[in-house]
Amino acid sequence: AQSVTQLDSQVPVFEEAPVELRCNYSSSVSVYLFWYVQYPNQGLQLLLKYLSGSTLVKGINGFEAEFNKSQTSFHLRKPSVHISDTAEYFCAVSNFGNEKLTFGTGTRLTIIP
Amino acid sequence: NAGVMQNPRHLVRRRGQEARLRCSPMKGHSHVYWYRQLPEEGLKFMVYLQKENIIDESGMPKERFSAEFPKEGPSILRIQQVVRGDSAAYFCASSFVGGAGNEQFFGPGTRLTVL
Repeated sequence: AQSVTQLDSQVPVFEEAPVELRCNYSSSVSVYLFWYVQYPNQGLQLLLKYLSGSTLVKGINGFEAEFNKSQTSFHLRKPSVHISDTAEYFCAVSNFGNEKLTFGTGTRLTIIP
Repeated sequence: NAGVMQNPRHLVRRRGQEARLRCSPMKGHSHVYWYRQLPEEGLKFMVYLQKENIIDESGMPKERFSAEFPKEGPSILRIQQVVRGDSAAYFCASSFVGGAGNEQFFGPGTRLTVL
C-alpha cells in the first residue's frame, strides 16, 4: 500500500516571497510522483510530475519539485509567488502497474498582498 | 479541444434517491477514472474503466455504487439509495493511454448534496 502525507494544511505567504509545500510518501515499490493544483470550484490541473531521471523537475507557472528518494519526499517550490497562485495543491503518487493515484489531503496556499 | 466534461456540476438528492453522474472524456481518450473528494480531504480513487471494461474497482464501496463506460456515450457513476455520507465532490479523469505515470486530465467535478 502507498500513502502520501502533506503536513501543512494551510500555508500563508506574502506576495513575491518564496514558498515550499511539503510532501512525503510511503511505498514499498518505485513510485511516480505528481503535483496537482485545484483552483476554487474547478478540477485538478497537473503542475509537474516525476517519472525517472533528473530529480529536479520543472513544471508550469514557475513551480519546481525535487525528488529525494532517501527522505521519500517530493517538495514543491516556487521562488516568488503571485496572487494568482492562491489555490489548493495536492501531491499524488502512483506506482508501476497501478494506474490509480493516491492523493495527499492537500495544502491550501494563500498569498498575502 | 474540449477537456473532460462532467454533468451535472451540482446535484441535489434526498436520502433514498438515485444519483447519476456523467463523464465525457477528452477526445481520443479511452481510459476513465473516478475519484471522490470528501470535505477537507484529498481525492480518493474509486474506479478505473476502459471502454466496456472495469479494470480496477478496488476503491468502490461494496454496495449501492456502480460504474460503467459503454462503447458509445459517457461514463456513468451511479449511486443508488443515497445517504448523507455520499455528499462529496466526484471527479472524473481521463487519459489517452493507461499505465502508471500517464497524465490524467481532470474534469470540473460534480458536487453531490444529499438532503
